Amino acid sequence: DVKVTQSSRYLVKRTGEKVFLECVQDMDHENMFWYRQDPGLGLRLIYFSYDVKMKEKGDIPEGYSVSREKKERFSLILESASTNQTSMYLCASALVGRGGSYNEQFFGPGTRLTVL
Amino acid sequence: GQSLEQPSEVTAVEGAIVQINCTYQTSGFYGLSWYQQHDGGAPTFLSYNALDGLEETGRFSSFLSRSDSYGYLLLQELQMKDSASYFCAPSQLDNYGQNFVFGPGTRLSVLP
Repeated sequence: DVKVTQSSRYLVKRTGEKVFLECVQDMDHENMFWYRQDPGLGLRLIYFSYDVKMKEKGDIPEGYSVSREKKERFSLILESASTNQTSMYLCASALVGRGGSYNEQFFGPGTRLTVL
Repeated sequence: GQSLEQPSEVTAVEGAIVQINCTYQTSGFYGLSWYQQHDGGAPTFLSYNALDGLEETGRFSSFLSRSDSYGYLLLQELQMKDSASYFCAPSQLDNYGQNFVFGPGTRLSVLP
């Protein structure tokens, strides 16, 4: 079974703190993603990575950065946390097939971040 | 631009059949996925349609009409454990590969 793990289930930080959210997958997937999920808004893509050291902005990258130094690990960084970044953060990975396509994303359990 | 519509809530009783519709406008459309998410849990993959028509997986079926930019998820013989949120996610293919756009989700409540 594919396993995607996230470093924390719950996290409480203060405004202005630097926050690191870690995600690790164990199935050698090329693509990894960070989403945030807010009530009524579904999942919104923050950043994704299709290879080591490669990253691309998603729909809402402002206030976030990412790092992918190893294939299995994708980190989301909040340089200076703000209260509007209080949310559920979900990491996902996908095995890329022919032509860069894939059918299924595997999600981690999520990190519920509260910024006070 | 992109747009995605699915009902916000659906209620049905155990044993019934329910259909959750999804209409989308996505540039570079490639396929349509469906995910299930229980409260407090992670989204889990249910189905993917790349071609027009119906895909069946047990009690769940998914349909796609590319010409109508429309799809639906059909859940049969509803069980209490099917109470969850269901997301349709059209995918688009760009220079970096395939990415999915998730809708706001449909909350399904199954009543006894």
